[in-house]
Amino acid sequence: AQSVTQLGSHVSVSEGALVLLRCNYSSSVPPYLFWYVQYPNQGLQLLLKYTSAATLVKGINGFEAEFKKSETSFHLTKPSAHMSDAAEYFCAVNFGNEKLTFGTGTRLTIIP
Amino acid sequence: NAGVTQTPKFRVLKTGQSMTLLCAQDMNHEYMYWYRQDPGMGLRLIHYSVGEGTTAKGEVPDGYNVSRLKKQNFLLGLESAAPSQTSVYFCASSYVRGGTDTQYFGPGTRLTVL
Repeated sequence: AQSVTQLGSHVSVSEGALVLLRCNYSSSVPPYLFWYVQYPNQGLQLLLKYTSAATLVKGINGFEAEFKKSETSFHLTKPSAHMSDAAEYFCAVNFGNEKLTFGTGTRLTIIP
Repeated sequence: NAGVTQTPKFRVLKTGQSMTLLCAQDMNHEYMYWYRQDPGMGLRLIHYSVGEGTTAKGEVPDGYNVSRLKKQNFLLGLESAAPSQTSVYFCASSYVRGGTDTQYFGPGTRLTVL
């Protein structure tokens, strides 16, 4: 079955530290991959997306993600966390149809 | 340009009551979606539409109906609300095929069914 797995429902990092949020998917076909961010009491907004161009994708607010086909992964990183990065992050995958399949989300907490 | 708007923002229903959630977009998008968000479960697709007059079932369609009579509006109906439908509901839209294109989300409707 096609699925999206986000390891760690909660991640805490210190301000200025590296942010690493993990996403793995199950598919034999290279999919379209997305990261969305949800700030408290808001809807989701796109951080970045991979659509079969460069494997390293840069997004907004200093985030980037690398598509690794051999590992079926699309992990999200940011070199230096800022307090404003506190939010919930969702990985989403298109498996070749009209729809997106979302992971269960990772809540990121930034420690001052 | 308001983007995607949802009405209402909050609602409390009693079991068995009915209601309609309205989603409107002003971006001339073809595709529209309804999701529900529950703790620890991410977003799950309820129904979607690939154009005016069309609708299709998503992952969790039971207990919901939808209509897309106008391109800019997508309505989600609950005919007989149940406590299991307590959730936050998000509408989204995209210009082209939603699996490959950016989806734009509304601010959500928080529904409680007592």
